[in-house]
Amino acid sequence: GQQVMQIPQYQHVQEGEDFTTYCNSSTTLSNIQWYKQRPGGHPVFLIQLVKSGEVKKQKRLTFQFGEAKKNSSLHITATQTTDVGTYFCAGPVTTDSWGKFQFGAGTQVVVTP
Amino acid sequence: DVKVTQSSRYLVKRTGEKVFLECVQDMDHENMFWYRQDPGLGLRLIYFSYDVKMKEKGDIPEGYSVSREKKERFSLILESASTNQTSMYLCASSPWTENSPLHFGNGTRLTVT
Repeated sequence: GQQVMQIPQYQHVQEGEDFTTYCNSSTTLSNIQWYKQRPGGHPVFLIQLVKSGEVKKQKRLTFQFGEAKKNSSLHITATQTTDVGTYFCAGPVTTDSWGKFQFGAGTQVVVTP
Repeated sequence: DVKVTQSSRYLVKRTGEKVFLECVQDMDHENMFWYRQDPGLGLRLIYFSYDVKMKEKGDIPEGYSVSREKKERFSLILESASTNQTSMYLCASSPWTENSPLHFGNGTRLTVT
């Protein structure tokens, strides 16, 4: 079946450094969504990418959708302690009703001051 | 702002008990979801409902059932709780529009002893 994979599972970052987390799908996606879950919190929607090769920025976060629409990345510049949390990507389940998404396992980000 | 409310933040039940997890949303969303979150496995869909009295199985429906008698309320039922159902349960909702982002509740941490 359709699978969405994220790497790395864990990311330890020194404050001020950059890092990238990757999301790969076994099937072509119509769109991809990214969510952030703070420790002890619930996932919160960050952004949606729809077009092939699309790049969107939110302050220090840069999201990219691959040309083949099978992968995506999240790049964080100058990491801050507020970036701590788990980042999930999610792709729509293509064979089923609208609204269902397959989530990756997430990248847990730990920031060292 | 969308509010998704889960009735309990923490719940401790005994093996064999019948458990009800309640979720209410206030934005008239058609879609409602129950996810289970476990370390390293991300969010796995248990059940999905796209309308009152309508439901679809997700990836891991075994041992669970759901009820949606009113549009705003979606209940997850563990008919006979088992220790392997100890987990974080997240309810989410979204409107009936293709690829709408999910709005999550704060989660219920269920421990089955």
